Amino acid sequence: RKEVEQDPGPFNVPEGATVAFNCTYSNSASQSFFWYRQDCRKEPKLLMSVYSSGNEDGRFTAQLNRASQYISLLIRDSKLSDSATYLCVVNNLGSGAGSYQLTFGKGTKLSVIP
Amino acid sequence: DTGVSQNPRHKITKRGQNVTFRCDPISEHNRLYWYRQTLGQGPEFLTYFQNEAQLEKSRLLSDRFSAERPKGSFSTLEIQRTEQGDSAMYLCASSLNDLGNEQFFGPGTRLTVL
Repeated sequence: RKEVEQDPGPFNVPEGATVAFNCTYSNSASQSFFWYRQDCRKEPKLLMSVYSSGNEDGRFTAQLNRASQYISLLIRDSKLSDSATYLCVVNNLGSGAGSYQLTFGKGTKLSVIP
Repeated sequence: DTGVSQNPRHKITKRGQNVTFRCDPISEHNRLYWYRQTLGQGPEFLTYFQNEAQLEKSRLLSDRFSAERPKGSFSTLEIQRTEQGDSAMYLCASSLNDLGNEQFFGPGTRLTVL
């Protein structure tokens, strides 16, 4: 089983739609959780951190369920500029002292269509 | 530009040649990470430095790979006797010292081994 699994996608949605991405992780000792966004042929950039209490940033809402080891991202009122690959990311304590390596899912590609 | 920079951005080499990539992190960041990303996959952790100390190496980092961060500032990643399977995007990231701190990624070096 992969450490971080995401919906395979792609998701093709019309402008204004609401879209939800789901992610599960296998390491119950995982420390921190994030959604990163990666545009085509660009580097990943942090979209938002994910907290146990859930958090919202404008049109984006992230939720974490530690018991189920499940993370979600909801995008409301999709814009053309939201088209990108969304990466579910877990930060685990590595074997090296103070190492907090990121473990990425494969990513889910979103295309928002006019 | 005060972000993470990487050079070169693209490298084409013949199988068996050695290549070296450079990463300049954000100046106040003492943590530096190397990742590798292939098409359709999320980035995979390779190695991690805290200041000049290399504290963790992934199993992905074969003996042909070596990374250094001699003065705790820039880092180099060298691949000896390149193989076609080494073709990938090599991403560098840096962060501050605390758990959960965002890792900022550089634009990556795209390696093609012919």
